[in-house]
Amino acid sequence: DIQMTQSPSSLSAFVGDRVTITCRSSQSITGYLNWYQQKPGKVPKLLIYAASSLQSGVPSRFSGSGSGTDFTLTISSLQPEDFATYFCQQSYSIPRSFGQGTKLEIK
Amino acid sequence: EVQLVESGGGLVQPGGSLRLSCAASGFTFSSYDMHWVRQVIGKGLEWVSAIGTLGDTYYAVSVKGRFTISRENAKNTLYLQMNTLRAGDTAVYYCVREFVGTTNTFDVWGQGTMVTVSS
Repeated sequence: DIQMTQSPSSLSAFVGDRVTITCRSSQSITGYLNWYQQKPGKVPKLLIYAASSLQSGVPSRFSGSGSGTDFTLTISSLQPEDFATYFCQQSYSIPRSFGQGTKLEIK
Repeated sequence: EVQLVESGGGLVQPGGSLRLSCAASGFTFSSYDMHWVRQVIGKGLEWVSAIGTLGDTYYAVSVKGRFTISRENAKNTLYLQMNTLRAGDTAVYYCVREFVGTTNTFDVWGQGTMVTVSS
């Protein structure tokens, strides 16, 4: 089974900051990496698929990169609505697996 | 509108059973792999089970032998039969559609149904 590890587990930042979240898989998943955003009491929402492709309707301040085992999610200029929890997920093999999440909070 | 609506959650005693249902609408249900993902409130996401378009099934180690996933394409409905429930199964259970394209993505999520296992 593939294990996904995110860092950091929590992060405080100011509106306007550039932030980066990393995700590492226990074995190569080529580009089968997705990122989801979840706000409190809400359902997870797909942000990035195939490591770097922006889901329709997602603001361009979000970007993803990486391949193999190391991936990043970057938010270029934080907006108030971006404070949420972010999860990476591998879709390379079953069982599907998620990172433990990164909670992004307002500083 | 593409939609997934779960039902069937509730309070059950340890060792008991529940059957979750997920009603799909707005898309050709039979053409998609479907998954169950659960989340302990305030915690992370855990993949539980999947069923392919041909009826092939997959389970997390933690639920294998206790949970059974199935689908009824004529009714556009996904099911999760949960037996021998444990306190550790307490979570919100999401029904999720998997889109197979450039990669595979969980592109549509239901609103979730809460399962509480407690005496």
